[in-house]
Amino acid sequence: NAGVTQTPKFRILKIGQSMTLQCTQDMNHNYMYWYRQDPGMGLKLIYYSVGAGITDKGEVPNGYNVSRSTTEDFPLRLELAAPSQTSVYFCASRDSKIQETQYFGPGTRLLVL
Amino acid sequence: AQKVTQAQTEISVVEKEDVTLDCVYETRDTTYYLFWYKQPPSGELVFLIRRNSFDEQNEISGRYSWNFQKSTSSFNFTITASQVVDSAVYFCALSPSGNTGKLIFGQGTTLQVKP
Repeated sequence: NAGVTQTPKFRILKIGQSMTLQCTQDMNHNYMYWYRQDPGMGLKLIYYSVGAGITDKGEVPNGYNVSRSTTEDFPLRLELAAPSQTSVYFCASRDSKIQETQYFGPGTRLLVL
Repeated sequence: AQKVTQAQTEISVVEKEDVTLDCVYETRDTTYYLFWYKQPPSGELVFLIRRNSFDEQNEISGRYSWNFQKSTSSFNFTITASQVVDSAVYFCALSPSGNTGKLIFGQGTTLQVKP
């Protein structure tokens, strides 16, 4: 099992550009999450999904979009990148049993200049 | 409001000292889960422990121990005989009731263990 994988590891974007952060898990988990971690801060939830075709907003969804067409993949789309989106992005997944532990990917470091 | 507070931003200790990381949470839910994660300098998040709100037993795992007290809404983490490899950022997180499993993280405590 590779667990949760994320690509790319690092990316520099110019203001106004768009990009998709990829997240894939091979554990057949229904639940998937996107968090961002700003310097010196804890993680904040951007979007989450409880299964294919179902997504919902978290605490900080503005400027992002998600889709969930398969159980394995949960891409995060940034439209019109802004410097405030400079952060480390973590994807996580968990089994659908009540409050099972979330397992995190290695993160994507994004710099918007 | 649901919130996790880790009041200690940074802690520095010398190897072999014991150290306690504090975590205070706020929730009106009667059912919830608490977690601790470790983030070493390499950046990944490593799961350490999960505790549900109905289980107030303390837990020990090697040099790690956790003290959960509902009366004070605290879930503190103690490392005994700290080692340099324990140097990391440690996050406490709350998962409120409901099955979405969303995690509310504290700000994190940076632990530096000096040789």
